[in-house]
Amino acid sequence: EAEVAQSPRYKITEKSQAVAFWCDPISGHATLYWYRQILGQGPELLVQFQDESVVDDSQLPKDRFSAERLKGVDSTLKIQPAELGDSAMYLCASSPLVLDTQYFGPGTRLTVL
Amino acid sequence: AQKVTQAQTEISVVEKEDVTLDCVYETRDTTYYLFWYKQPPSGELVFLIRRNSFDEQNEISGRYSWNFQKSTSSFNFTITASQVVDSAVYFCALSDNTDKLIFGTGTRLQVFP
Repeated sequence: EAEVAQSPRYKITEKSQAVAFWCDPISGHATLYWYRQILGQGPELLVQFQDESVVDDSQLPKDRFSAERLKGVDSTLKIQPAELGDSAMYLCASSPLVLDTQYFGPGTRLTVL
Repeated sequence: AQKVTQAQTEISVVEKEDVTLDCVYETRDTTYYLFWYKQPPSGELVFLIRRNSFDEQNEISGRYSWNFQKSTSSFNFTITASQVVDSAVYFCALSDNTDKLIFGTGTRLQVFP
C-alpha cells in the first residue's frame, strides 16, 4: 500500500539553527500539504501545493518558514532560524485531487532546545 | 468561520465496552466534508472515514460506526466492543470548498484490558 514518506522522524536542534524536513507524497498525488501539530492540539495547515504551485500559505510564518515543491513531486519545509515555540510535530499529507481525502505521513517530531 | 468541537478530552473504558466519541461542527457552507482520523502513539494520522454533507446515511465498518446528523451538526463515532489496540487520539475534521482541513482538539481514548 502506497504511503507518504517523511524524514527525519525526529529532529533535535538548538534555537537559531536551521532545520529542514522532507516529504515524498503518494505517487500520482498532485496536492501536498504541510501541517503543524502542537502537543495536545489538532494539526493546523501551514501550506498547500497543487503540483509545484502554492495554493495556500496564509498560515505560514514567512519570516522564518519556507516551503518548496520544485518538480511537483517531493517537498521540503525549512525553518530558519528555529525558535523554542517551533517545537511540534510536522505532518505532510497528500491527496490525488483537490477536495479529496488527505493521507498523512508519519510526521517529523521537532524539539528546539 | 469553520469550527470543530470535540468536547471529550479523554475517555477511559475497559475492553469490550462500547464507546462513542462526539464531534460537533460549525460551517456556513452547504457543501462540506467531514472526516475522522486516528492518531496512535507512533504519531501518524490514519484516515478512517470521509462523509460529504449530502450523504446523511449512517455507516458501519466492522466495529466502527458513524452517525451523521445535519440537524444537530454532529458526526459521532462509535466503537463497538473496544479493544486495547483502539487506544489512540481520535480527531474529527471538517473541510469546505477551500480544501483546508479544520481539526478538532482530539479525544484521547484509553482502552484497558
